[in-house]
Amino acid sequence: GQNIDQPTEMTATEGAIVQINCTYQTSGFNGLFWYQQHAGEAPTFLSYNVLDGLEEKGRFSSFLSRSKGYSYLLLKELQMKDSASYLCAPAGTASKLTFGTGTRLQVTL
Amino acid sequence: NAGVMQNPRHLVRRRGQEARLRCSPMKGHSHVYWYRQLPEEGLKFMVYLQKENIIDESGMPKERFSAEFPKEGPSILRIQQVVRGDSAAYFCASSPTATAKNIQYFGAGTRLSVL
Repeated sequence: GQNIDQPTEMTATEGAIVQINCTYQTSGFNGLFWYQQHAGEAPTFLSYNVLDGLEEKGRFSSFLSRSKGYSYLLLKELQMKDSASYLCAPAGTASKLTFGTGTRLQVTL
Repeated sequence: NAGVMQNPRHLVRRRGQEARLRCSPMKGHSHVYWYRQLPEEGLKFMVYLQKENIIDESGMPKERFSAEFPKEGPSILRIQQVVRGDSAAYFCASSPTATAKNIQYFGAGTRLSVL
């Protein structure tokens, strides 16, 4: 079966750095995705990791440790528009994504 | 290149009626996934389809729910005899192939409200 654990809510200040952690247990692991979802909108793709290590893409970076079943999303230079839910989603067989409940990030002034 | 299109965006049904949700994948994408998001919960996989084939329906409720992706036209998620517990946001995603590294692109969703 699949089990995903993320913090429910986080708060950070504009301009700061925030790290959102995700631990997972899954069968048939084929990489891990991070999506951003603003309230009432579609999830949008942020990053994909299949090998251990850090993937950097602009203000967003994602890290994966397969042996530990652990990933994190790092957001730098936070902006107000980054207030959203962040969804950790391991990919299983046939690309089926399993989502956690997501982490709701609130960016404050 | 238009994204994944879902319609309607909002759908209101009374208990016992049928709900039909449509999804047109991105151009060039032949793989469609349906997910359901209940209030305050995460997205839950329902079904994965390719043209004219259901590949994985392990997340579909055993009764009242069905999905298709015909050779021509959009993918349809059909819910018969809706109940209040079916009220949720239903998201469709598409990808060009089924390899894991292919990104699934999501539509804006259909919000179903059952009265």
